[in-house]
Amino acid sequence: GAVVSQHPSWVICKSGTSVKIECRSLDFQATTMFWYRQFPKQSLMLMATSNEGSKATYEQGVEKDKFLINHASLTLSTLTVTSAHPEDSSFYICSARDMANEKLFFGSGTQLSVL
Amino acid sequence: AQSVSQHNHHVILSEAASLELGCNYSYGGTVNLFWYVQYPGQHLQLLLKYFSGDPLVKGIKGFEAEFIKSKFSFNLRKPSVQWSDTAEYFCAVNALNTDKLIFGTGTRLQVFP
Repeated sequence: GAVVSQHPSWVICKSGTSVKIECRSLDFQATTMFWYRQFPKQSLMLMATSNEGSKATYEQGVEKDKFLINHASLTLSTLTVTSAHPEDSSFYICSARDMANEKLFFGSGTQLSVL
Repeated sequence: AQSVSQHNHHVILSEAASLELGCNYSYGGTVNLFWYVQYPGQHLQLLLKYFSGDPLVKGIKGFEAEFIKSKFSFNLRKPSVQWSDTAEYFCAVNALNTDKLIFGTGTRLQVFP
């Protein structure tokens, strides 16, 4: 089946640094990708919808200047957490919609720990 | 705003027991409904989905779910669970006029041999 590769799977960084997370669709093209975050024992919360070649659409309460999203190609979207703080520590998951059949596939997630 | 409730946070069963996980959503319009599963150390995978038609939907690995519109529910069932069904299960809703999935908080299922 279709695969979405998310990298890195886990990252530890110092407070104030920036972290980039990549989401790649390996065998299909995706004009739309989604970024979620999940706190322990809570639901996946949609952060933003990433559209290839245009600006991302952010959900209410998500700071677009802090969570920079770039979707420069049909197979890659990146999420950069800028000036990370400990409260940004969370599990981030991406998903990608296959243009050919509209099916949605998820990445394996990135555990971010900010010290 | 749309929301999804999964009332069972942690379910423990013995093999061969029957399973039913509750899922209720709040949205007045037409929705698509999904159940996803996340096995330990793996990514989310689609178990089954309901778009329209027969409200009883059959998915992979012997799972099924029934959409009851009047109850705003989409409960997941399996008549006889296996140890390999141990995983986290997420219910999700997508309103027809949006591209967004709204997830429930998930239910952790543990099946003991």
